[in-house]
Formats: sequence, C-alpha cells, structure tokens
Amino acid sequence: DTAVSQTPKYLVTQMGNDKSIKCEQNLGHDTMYWYKQDSKKFLKIMFSYNNKELIINETVPNRFSPKSPDKAHLNLHINSLELGDSAVYFCASSQGMGGGQETQYFGPGTRLLVL
Amino acid sequence: RKEVEQDPGPFNVPEGATVAFNCTYSNSASQSFFWYRQDCRKEPKLLMSVYSSGNEDGRFTAQLNRASQYISLLIRDSKLSDSATYLCVVNPSGGYNKLIFGAGTRLAVHP
Repeated sequence: DTAVSQTPKYLVTQMGNDKSIKCEQNLGHDTMYWYKQDSKKFLKIMFSYNNKELIINETVPNRFSPKSPDKAHLNLHINSLELGDSAVYFCASSQGMGGGQETQYFGPGTRLLVL
Repeated sequence: RKEVEQDPGPFNVPEGATVAFNCTYSNSASQSFFWYRQDCRKEPKLLMSVYSSGNEDGRFTAQLNRASQYISLLIRDSKLSDSATYLCVVNPSGGYNKLIFGAGTRLAVHP
C-alpha cells in the first residue's frame, strides 16, 4: 500500500491556468509538507501543516495556496501558473513536527510543466 | 553561501570500491543531520540520520563534525544498486521539522 500518494503524477498546462495537486498519506501522521524540486535539483520546502494548521510558509508567492481538509490530506492549488513554476512537487509527511529527528516520508512527486 | 553545500559529482566508481561524500552547512546552530538517497526520477528516501558520535548502518558510515560544520558519508564495498544521488540534509532548528537539502552528490557504480 502506498504510504504517501500524490495526484496527478504528471501535469502539463498553459501559462495563466489554475491547477491543483492532491496529496494523501495513510501513515496516521500529524504533519505534512510540500516541497519544490527545480531543474537544478534543489529540493526546497514550501509549506508545512500540523493537524490542519499552517506552521511553515517559506516565502512562497501567494499564487500558491495549500489546503488541508484533514490531517491525512494536503492539497496545493496554484493560480495563474508561470513558466518558472515548472518543477517536481513532492508531498511528504512525518509523525510530528518537533524534535528535529522526525523522518519525513515523501510521495512519488508531481511533474508540472508549464508551457 | 548556500545553507548546505555538496560536491555534485558525479563520482564514478567500480563495484567494491569505497567512496566518501562530504557536505558543509552554514548554520552553526543546526540541530539535526541526515543523509537521504534519491534515485533518478524518484522521491527522496531517508538513508540514515547522522549523530554527533558518528553512526554506522551496514556498509554506510556517517560522521558529523560540529566544529567544522561538516558531515560525511562513507560507503564501503559499493554495489551497483548504490547508484543514486545522495542528499545531505540539515534541520537548522530543534523546533519545527524544517529540512534544508543540499543539491546532492551523484554516485554511479559500474561493473
């Protein structure tokens, strides 16, 4: 069974469109994350939610809006897509948010290409 | 200066070789350290945590030098299946689980 799943796996769209990526985890974890991995392979955190509450917001343009309907789901909605948004977006989860030693489990990624 | 810096490689080594990767981090207050592995077009997966006393997991040994802000990973007896990108990861605070990833070091093990 998949622990952290994301849909869609691939997303090709035009500039200016609005799109959403969904993430679900069945690990019973309290904390979920969104990361962006750009063409240079840097993986950077965007957001983190703990029990549906936003706890990390890393200076991401407000075109990106995360939503956590419950602690097992964290979705990412992107408005007015730009060429620079093309990247791989990874969702992750961890048991908790503190202590610093929490293992994060990553989803398979969503490859977004903006044309 | 990047928060976490790694040599991007690639490191091309024959099977059975020993290979070492290094990583430096800029925030001296960083609390937790990890090595993650990422296969081509796959998600990152935790390889091992790095403790101040150093730790070993089979063929893998990780070391931390807080004074020099330096982390290392040693892989002994390399296997073809070790071919991947190895990501050095730092949590700069003991609070929130915010991970800072290096760009990764690519390893290619050949027969």
